[in-house]
Amino acid sequence: AQRVTQPEKLLSVFKGAPVELKCNYSYSGSPELFWYVQYSRQRLQLLLRHISRESIKGFTADLNKGETSFHLKKPFAQEEDSAMYYCALPQGGSEKLVFGKGTKLTVNP
Amino acid sequence: DTGVSQNPRHKITKRGQNVTFRCDPISEHNRLYWYRQTLGQGPEFLTYFQNEAQLEKSRLLSDRFSAERPKGSFSTLEIQRTEQGDSAMYLCASSFGQRTINEKLFFGSGTQLSVL
Repeated sequence: AQRVTQPEKLLSVFKGAPVELKCNYSYSGSPELFWYVQYSRQRLQLLLRHISRESIKGFTADLNKGETSFHLKKPFAQEEDSAMYYCALPQGGSEKLVFGKGTKLTVNP
Repeated sequence: DTGVSQNPRHKITKRGQNVTFRCDPISEHNRLYWYRQTLGQGPEFLTYFQNEAQLEKSRLLSDRFSAERPKGSFSTLEIQRTEQGDSAMYLCASSFGQRTINEKLFFGSGTQLSVL
């Protein structure tokens, strides 16, 4: 079964510093990966997806099949980036999205 | 708010009681999902509907759990004979599409269940 690992439960950086939230996955094949974000007192929402190869709110994520990683990066963190971030992967042949346990990012002023 | 709506927001019940949650998806969305989230964990898939058909159920969904989506609109999730282990945030999500899961999921605010 597919698995998603987010090794950091908590991550704290200062405003303006680069940030990288790690995500590793186990999947045999070409995965489609997602990053979802939940800001304080808001709903879980899609931040970006691998297939779109987009940059949202300055965040990017590159799929590295060799390292089976899909790390989320932003060169200059902002206080409003403070949130809970979840990496997710579809279960093969299923409508099920498998989520990691999440990383809580705090951007300090 | 035209997003996914879930009711109630909070539910406190005693062990052994039955509870029912409701989810109203975004109106044009044909797909509806239920997830469960406990503290310190990511959301875990429970079940999925395409229109009114329940097409997939997780092994997490014991026979005490039942979900319906009559007429392909709103959905209900019922838990019978609740147990303390059922305490969790129950999330509903919807999407529109015919392809696989790479459509964007829109989540509701969730129903927080506490079983005493």
